[in-house]
Amino acid sequence: NAGVTQTPKFQVLKTGQSMTLQCAQDMNHEYMSWYRQDPGMGLRLIHYSVGAGITDQGEVPNGYNVSRSTTEDFPLRLLSAAPSQTSVYFCASRGTGRTGELFFGEGSRLTVL
Amino acid sequence: SQQGEEDPQALSIQEGENATMNCSYKTSINNLQWYRQNSGRGLVHLILIRSNEREKHSGRLRVTLDTSKKSSSLLITASRAADTASYFCATEAGNTPLVFGKGTRLSVIA
Repeated sequence: NAGVTQTPKFQVLKTGQSMTLQCAQDMNHEYMSWYRQDPGMGLRLIHYSVGAGITDQGEVPNGYNVSRSTTEDFPLRLLSAAPSQTSVYFCASRGTGRTGELFFGEGSRLTVL
Repeated sequence: SQQGEEDPQALSIQEGENATMNCSYKTSINNLQWYRQNSGRGLVHLILIRSNEREKHSGRLRVTLDTSKKSSSLLITASRAADTASYFCATEAGNTPLVFGKGTRLSVIA
């Protein structure tokens, strides 16, 4: 049981490039989410999903796309990377029901030059 | 925007002392959760307290919730060097996703 797995752990992009951060969970969790963590800002929610085929925007969705075609996977796409998207990204999931503890991945550190 | 705000931003104590961190929030909540983050790692859930609960314990952790003051505290007793981490409160209200505060950085000096 691996929990929440994020790849890659580190990535350097040039401005304007696109990429996808992968997130997979093997706990059959319905709810999945993406946060970004910046110094002094805590964690801010980017997008979330309450089940396959359903996604919604969080606090800071601009510049990011998500899709949820399976229960296990919730990729985060950066369409045209900007230096402001330099951050550490965390994927988190939890089981059925709208409340409860989140299980986090180990994070993906992204630098946009 | 952040719902919870932790206080203090940073805390440094000696091993064996107690550490207290506070969290204030703005609106009514369903529950409040505390998480720990070791440097360079993901967040780990510590404890969840529901809005109708006033106090919960888990090992050396004690969490209180005062809904009239919209505040919570996390007490770590007999701290150890391994408790060095950032601690975040997170609130859940209605059907909105969990919202995190900016965290308290705790340093426990051996």
